Amino acid sequence: GDSVTQMEGPVTLSEEAFLTINCTYTATGYPSLFWYVQYPGEGLQLLLKATKADDKGSNKGFEATYRKETTSFHLEKGSVQVSDSAVYFCALRGTDKLIFGTGTRLQVFP
Amino acid sequence: DGGITQSPKYLFRKEGQNVTLSCEQNLNHDAMYWYRQDPGQGLRLIYYSQIVNDFQKGDIAEGYSVSREKKESFPLTVTSAQKNPTAFYLCASSIREYGNQPQHFGDGTRLSIL
Repeated sequence: GDSVTQMEGPVTLSEEAFLTINCTYTATGYPSLFWYVQYPGEGLQLLLKATKADDKGSNKGFEATYRKETTSFHLEKGSVQVSDSAVYFCALRGTDKLIFGTGTRLQVFP
Repeated sequence: DGGITQSPKYLFRKEGQNVTLSCEQNLNHDAMYWYRQDPGQGLRLIYYSQIVNDFQKGDIAEGYSVSREKKESFPLTVTSAQKNPTAFYLCASSIREYGNQPQHFGDGTRLSIL
């Protein structure tokens, strides 16, 4: 069945460092892909999405490119801030529901 | 502003007691979902509903029940049959018809056992 695999965390970075969080997927067809962010004690917020191969989603300095050939949707940011500390979830749209990865915790220190 | 409202934010359950978590949305979305999140884990789907008066079991439906009598409301009942109910519960909604539409989430309810 469809599935999403994310790199395990926590990812610990200093402020202004470059961020990559890896996400790969297994699916039939070409599902829409999403990154969600969860701040402590809150629900999930949509960060960005891509609906077809080679699409690049971007928001708040974060980017991810839908790579069909490597079945990947890695999240990147050129310069992280302390306020980016959160848990990040990769997800794909299956039939009638979203399928989530297990989440990657990002900790950014000043 | 449109959104999803979950209540209460914190809830405590006694042994053998049923409790109901509220989820209301004013986004005019057809589909609604309930997830359970445990520490350090991803989201697991409990139940979902694509339309009023219809719902389907997700991956971990045992010990839970839902109803969908109104488009804007999708309450979740955690029954006494759920032996490990302590978790963070998230409700979400989306437009049903298009696969590229994201889900919108509430701020969650944290359930604990007394």
